[in-house]
Amino acid sequence: NAGVTQTPKFQVLKTGQSMTLQCAQDMNHNSMYWYRQDPGMGLRLIYYSASEGTTDKGEVPNGYNVSRLNKREFSLRLESAAPSQTSVYFCASMREMSPQHFGDGTRLSIL
Amino acid sequence: AQSVTQPDIHITVSEGASLELRCNYSYGATPYLFWYVQSPGQGLQLLLKYFSGDTLVQGIKGFEAEFKRSQSSFNLRKPSVHWSDAAEYFCAVGANGNEKLTFGTGTRLTIIP
Repeated sequence: NAGVTQTPKFQVLKTGQSMTLQCAQDMNHNSMYWYRQDPGMGLRLIYYSASEGTTDKGEVPNGYNVSRLNKREFSLRLESAAPSQTSVYFCASMREMSPQHFGDGTRLSIL
Repeated sequence: AQSVTQPDIHITVSEGASLELRCNYSYGATPYLFWYVQSPGQGLQLLLKYFSGDTLVQGIKGFEAEFKRSQSSFNLRKPSVHWSDAAEYFCAVGANGNEKLTFGTGTRLTIIP
């Protein structure tokens, strides 16, 4: 099984451009998450989805939108990218009473 | 609200030496606790978890951690480190019925020959 798959792995954007990061899991997990990782700050939760059809804000949601397309897929959209959104983005999924499983990340640079 | 503190930003140990990485958490009830490891350019891999029961938990790669409620700690240990253990380590806390995790800022481990 692939686990959690994120696409793309790398991306460079210009300020003001839009982009959607894709995440898919094949473990039949209910909950899915988007984090950003910045040096010295650990992982910070952007948005999460506890089940298909629901989404909630995390710690740092400003500038982002999400869509839980179905049980497998959870996408993160940057409508107008800003340099402060340069980061590594991780998607994760979990089922109840179990650890989160992480993808390999998307490295996003905004010039 | 829950929080996690990893007081050591960077630790250097010699290969073969013992290791302890510190993690302190803040949460009102019994927490769910996790240690993850991240190698450069990779995602996070679960090392071990504590949900309930025995407070000394064993994980992969020879790691263990001990939950100490009185000290609000969940320190990670390994008796003898290998060069391949060089990575960044994250402690995380969650709560029963709440799917959100809170991560510490991480400890970067360097191994010297």
